[in-house]
Amino acid sequence: ELKVEQNPLFLSMQEGKNYTIYCNYSTTSDRLYWYRQDPGKSLESLFVLLSNGAVKQEGRLMASLDTKARLSTLHITAAVHDLSATYFCAVEQGTYKYIFGTGTRLKVLA
Amino acid sequence: NAGVTQTPKFQVLKTGQSMTLQCAQDMNHEYMSWYRQDPGMGLRLIHYSVGAGITDQGEVPNGYNVSRSTTEDFPLRLLSAAPSQTSVYFCASSDSGLAKNIQYFGAGTRLSVL
Repeated sequence: ELKVEQNPLFLSMQEGKNYTIYCNYSTTSDRLYWYRQDPGKSLESLFVLLSNGAVKQEGRLMASLDTKARLSTLHITAAVHDLSATYFCAVEQGTYKYIFGTGTRLKVLA
Repeated sequence: NAGVTQTPKFQVLKTGQSMTLQCAQDMNHEYMSWYRQDPGMGLRLIHYSVGAGITDQGEVPNGYNVSRSTTEDFPLRLLSAAPSQTSVYFCASSDSGLAKNIQYFGAGTRLSVL
């Protein structure tokens, strides 16, 4: 059974600092997704990582995937308040069955 | 283009009542899923469907039924609601090809079971 773990669960950081969120999963998969959720809102897609070594960047966020280590990272560069949200990784198990991590609640302090 | 539409947005039930959460998408997506979101537990997959007439169980299927008679609709039925089913429910749809299996989520249904 696929397990997806994220850490940290909570992250409070100062504006301008860098940090990394980790997503580990327990069984083989080549497809990993990152989503963002604002409080009281739905989820929106951030990144799709489809192969080993994949790296995607959008603004201050960069995601990478190491399928051999079963690890994905979401790196935040020079954080700003607008990045405050909960971030989820999701791993595709088989075909179109997605298992989510518990989420990382990020708070960026001014 | 409405995307994924969930109704109702809020619902309060008494223990033992039944109800159906509606989910419709207008993107002609093949794949649809239902999740529940509880504090500290992320999203957990309840049921999913890879096309009309095909459904399968996710991580937490007990107490829920689904059917997929059309591509557009994927309702979730609670047969006999229990307080443990108090949660926020999200429906999502996705497709292969250029979309690369990205899921598009509805706005959610907040359900309280008393």
